[in-house]
Amino acid sequence: GESVGLHLPTLSVQEGDNSIINCAYSNSASDYFIWYKQESGKGPQFIIDIRSNMDKRQGQRVTVLLNKTVKHLSLQIAATQPGDSAVYFCAEKLRGYSTLTFGKGTMLLVSP
Amino acid sequence: GAVVSQHPSWVICKSGTSVKIECRSLDFQATTMFWYRQFPKQSLMLMATSNEGSKATYEQGVEKDKFLINHASLTLSTLTVTSAHPEDSSFYICSARVPGVREQYFGPGTRLTVT
Repeated sequence: GESVGLHLPTLSVQEGDNSIINCAYSNSASDYFIWYKQESGKGPQFIIDIRSNMDKRQGQRVTVLLNKTVKHLSLQIAATQPGDSAVYFCAEKLRGYSTLTFGKGTMLLVSP
Repeated sequence: GAVVSQHPSWVICKSGTSVKIECRSLDFQATTMFWYRQFPKQSLMLMATSNEGSKATYEQGVEKDKFLINHASLTLSTLTVTSAHPEDSSFYICSARVPGVREQYFGPGTRLTVT
């Protein structure tokens, strides 16, 4: 699986800005990707997912982009709000398996 | 729908004792549940996959005799940390998979502190 980071990258934005959180994955056999939001002391919360046969998917204020050529996944949050402050993880699922491998996470800090 | 609960939400135990953590799917039947461990400022690491009615599948490096997993019903999986040591102190999170759906639903986590 992916290596686990020993530090947490941080993205600091102002309220109202658009945020982009990036994730690199290494396994070309992954067929499903999910973004999770985790607030301090809580379990991960599903944000949005995308299958490998897609390159873009939109939700409410969030968009996930998948670039399989460079094995890159991004989460775009429009009009970021203080309540969006949390750690964001990408996760990938290998084709034929049910388990998820989590990326190292990015802390998003939104200041008013 | 698809709510997963964990009990307890936090627990403190003495070194050498055992502690059991429960994971329940409240409004659906989960044939598969997963157990993760998360250290501060780190990602979630999969410990094991728990299948109802069969033995759990442990990830490499996870001691099956130390982390006992039981999935006796379609709505309950338990993780027992045996002979706990301070280095077992961590945030333990379970998730459950709705049959036929790729997504996993996560519980709120259990904070274990071993003194």
